[in-house]
Amino acid sequence: AQSVTQPDIHITVSEGASLELRCNYSYGATPYLFWYVQSPGQGLQLLLKYFSGDTLVQGIKGFEAEFKRSQSSFNLRKPSVHWSDAAEYFCAVGASDTGNQFYFGTGTSLTVIP
Amino acid sequence: GAGVSQTPSNKVTEKGKYVELRCDPISGHTALYWYRQSLGQGPEFLIYFQGTGAADDSGLPNDRFFAVRPEGSVSTLKIQRTERGDSAVYLCASSPHGTDTQYFGPGTRLTVL
Repeated sequence: AQSVTQPDIHITVSEGASLELRCNYSYGATPYLFWYVQSPGQGLQLLLKYFSGDTLVQGIKGFEAEFKRSQSSFNLRKPSVHWSDAAEYFCAVGASDTGNQFYFGTGTSLTVIP
Repeated sequence: GAGVSQTPSNKVTEKGKYVELRCDPISGHTALYWYRQSLGQGPEFLIYFQGTGAADDSGLPNDRFFAVRPEGSVSTLKIQRTERGDSAVYLCASSPHGTDTQYFGPGTRLTVL
């Protein structure tokens, strides 16, 4: 069965520091991979996605993620965090043979300190 | 353009009551999804529509939950005999077609007292 693991429940970084949020997935074939961000009281906003091709994908707000098949990972990175990046981040995997539903991780809460 | 909208944004009800939650997808999107997000958790899949039909309802927790999409656009999630454990944020998402990015609405926060 498909599953997504986000090992870090909560991360705190200083503004201007680099960020990496971890995501590991379980799926037999090449999945579709997504990162979403959720601010308090807001819906899920798509940051970036990977379907195929170049394994390093660029997203909005300066985020990028790298698909590593050998590690079943899709980690999210940002070189310099801004205070407005404080939010909950969700990794999700989808696949056409699962009814197109997405499987989400439990999320990583990001706190940014000045 | 307009995104996915959901109404109401908040719903408080009493145990045993019936509730309906509405989702308006992005115009032209054929696929529509319902998810439930409990506190501290990621969204969990409930049901997926392709057009008017439920293509996959394997995530519905029991027969108290039902969803419809009669004209292939707006969808309603219906919960009968609500229980306190149904309290959660119910998210709707739409997609241009099945195998593509899902765009989420702001959700409906359901509280069952």
